[in-house]
Amino acid sequence: KQEVTQIPAALSVPEGENLVLNCSFTDSAIYNLQWFRQDPGKGLTSLLLIQSSQREQTSGRLNASLDKSSGRSTLYIAASQPGDSATYLCAVHTLNTGFQKLVFGTGTRLLVSP
Amino acid sequence: GAGVSQTPSNKVTEKGKYVELRCDPISGHTALYWYRQSLGQGPEFLIYFQGTGAADDSGLPNDRFFAVRPEGSVSTLKIQRTERGDSAVYLCASSLTDQETQYFGPGTRLLVL
Repeated sequence: KQEVTQIPAALSVPEGENLVLNCSFTDSAIYNLQWFRQDPGKGLTSLLLIQSSQREQTSGRLNASLDKSSGRSTLYIAASQPGDSATYLCAVHTLNTGFQKLVFGTGTRLLVSP
Repeated sequence: GAGVSQTPSNKVTEKGKYVELRCDPISGHTALYWYRQSLGQGPEFLIYFQGTGAADDSGLPNDRFFAVRPEGSVSTLKIQRTERGDSAVYLCASSLTDQETQYFGPGTRLLVL
């Protein structure tokens, strides 16, 4: 059974810092890995999707890497801003459970103070 | 265009009651998914529809939970004899096909007293 773990559970940083969020998964047979952002009272917004054949994806100040063999992904946020405050969720599509099922981690709650 | 919408946004009910949660997917999306997110946890898969049929309902926790999508668009998640443990945010997502990115709605917050 695929299990996804995210560390740290919560993170508080001052504005301007660069930070790294970690995601690990137990079954390396994945289709792809996604990072989502969840704001209180709102749905999930997809930030980056890394296909299993890729090693990283970048969007603006965000960079996500994937090391499938070790079962790890990191989300790097450069020059953090208060507007980045949210919960960040990592999710994988696992081959064994089917592409359609996203398996999520428990998330990292990020607070960026001005 | 319009995203995935869910109604109601909040629902408070009493233990033992029946509830229905509605999801309106993005127009033209053939695949629809339901997830449940308990406090402090990530979303957990419940059921996936391809068109009108439930292609995978392996995530439904027990037979009190049922979902339909009769015309291949709107879906309703039905919960019978609600229990306090059913309290959670119920998220719906849709995708153009089952190989495409899933787009999530804002969720329905269900509280069972």
